[in-house]
Amino acid sequence: EAGVTQFPSHSVIEKGQTVTLRCDPISGHDNLYWYRRVMGKEIKFLLHFVKESKQDESGMPNNRFLAERTGGTYSTLKVQPAELEDSGVYFCASSHATGAGELFFGEGSRLTVL
Amino acid sequence: GENVEQHPSTLSVQEGDSAVIKCTYSDSASNYFPWYKQELGKRPQLIIDIRSNVGEKKDQRIAVTLNKTAKHFSLHITETQPEDSAVYFCAASENSGYSTLTFGKGTMLLVSP
Repeated sequence: EAGVTQFPSHSVIEKGQTVTLRCDPISGHDNLYWYRRVMGKEIKFLLHFVKESKQDESGMPNNRFLAERTGGTYSTLKVQPAELEDSGVYFCASSHATGAGELFFGEGSRLTVL
Repeated sequence: GENVEQHPSTLSVQEGDSAVIKCTYSDSASNYFPWYKQELGKRPQLIIDIRSNVGEKKDQRIAVTLNKTAKHFSLHITETQPEDSAVYFCAASENSGYSTLTFGKGTMLLVSP
């Protein structure tokens, strides 16, 4: 069974440019999460989809970040325009069950904004 | 909201020694506490978790203890091996509904042969 896959693994862009990160969750997992880790800091929650609906987007930093999950399958996270402080590793995770349980993480997309 | 503090940020031990990583949390409603291990360049993976109806859980060389009164929980690794070297993250959440995990800042564990 394929795990959570993320693309790209690494992206280097200049301030002001746009980047779109993609996440393919484990098939059948209704819950999809985006997290971000800035170096040395915690893995910080960004948002949570249940199928195609945004269940919780309280962690989204500002309106430069847009997440979508059309059709309830894969998800994209767009940063437009990117700022220096957006640099970090963006993790996607999925889970099957509601309530507390194991999250299955992707390997992350490392974003470097110059 | 929940706040999770994790210590130490780095931990170096000799192979065969024990390692302990400690976390505290702020939200008394939290009752699910997982630990994730992230090896260099790989994805975080769940290694053990504990729910608030138990005080201790063990799986081979790893164990987790929970003190709900003090709002802290710890990861214990015995007989450490070089392959235990990784970043370990603690986390906390409520055990119901669409609760989300709040993570600590991570502990980089280095086990020297």
